[in-house]
Amino acid sequence: QKEVEQNSGPLSVPEGAIASLNCTYSDRVSQSFFWYRQYSGKSPELIMSIYSNGDKEDGRFTAQLNKASQYVSLLIRDSQPSDSATYLCAVFQTGGGNKLTFGTGTQLKVEL
Amino acid sequence: GAGVSQSPRYKVAKRGQDVALRCDPISGHVSLFWYQQALGQGPEFLTYFQNEAQLDKSGLPSDRFFAERPEGSVSTLKIQRTQQEDSAVYLCASSLDGGSVGTQYFGPGTRLLVL
Repeated sequence: QKEVEQNSGPLSVPEGAIASLNCTYSDRVSQSFFWYRQYSGKSPELIMSIYSNGDKEDGRFTAQLNKASQYVSLLIRDSQPSDSATYLCAVFQTGGGNKLTFGTGTQLKVEL
Repeated sequence: GAGVSQSPRYKVAKRGQDVALRCDPISGHVSLFWYQQALGQGPEFLTYFQNEAQLDKSGLPSDRFFAERPEGSVSTLKIQRTQQEDSAVYLCASSLDGGSVGTQYFGPGTRLLVL
């Protein structure tokens, strides 16, 4: 079992819809969770970070964390074609060194 | 206000050649990380520095891979006797601190192709 799992997609949503991206992780001691956006041929760009159970909102983005279920999600409201990218879930695990463990990413396509 | 910079952006090497990849982190950032990203995969951790100290090199795939950060700023990732399986994008990231809330900012990456 991979430490961080994501559905590779592609996830297709119409413009203006809500895109829901999901991620599960295996290590219960994980403390910090990050969502990065990566356009094709570009480097990862931080979108959201979340450290506590519950929701965290930033503009059109909402991150949700449920540590009991070992689940973190990213909601993108009013999806735009410019949101089309691969979204990487990353987990920071204490005791595992100061490193991020990434999922394989979910490709999101926002269609006109 | 420069971000993380990396050079070269692209490198083509013949199998068996040595390559050196450079990372210039954000000024003042204590922590520096190297990741390897294969096509269609998420970045995989290679090694981590706090200032000039290499605190974790558990992700380096073989002894052909070597990284250094002698003055606690610029870092170099060296790959000796390159193999085709080394072809990937090599990403450098820096963080203000190395703690669990430290956000890592990524450079543009070096795309390495070994022929």
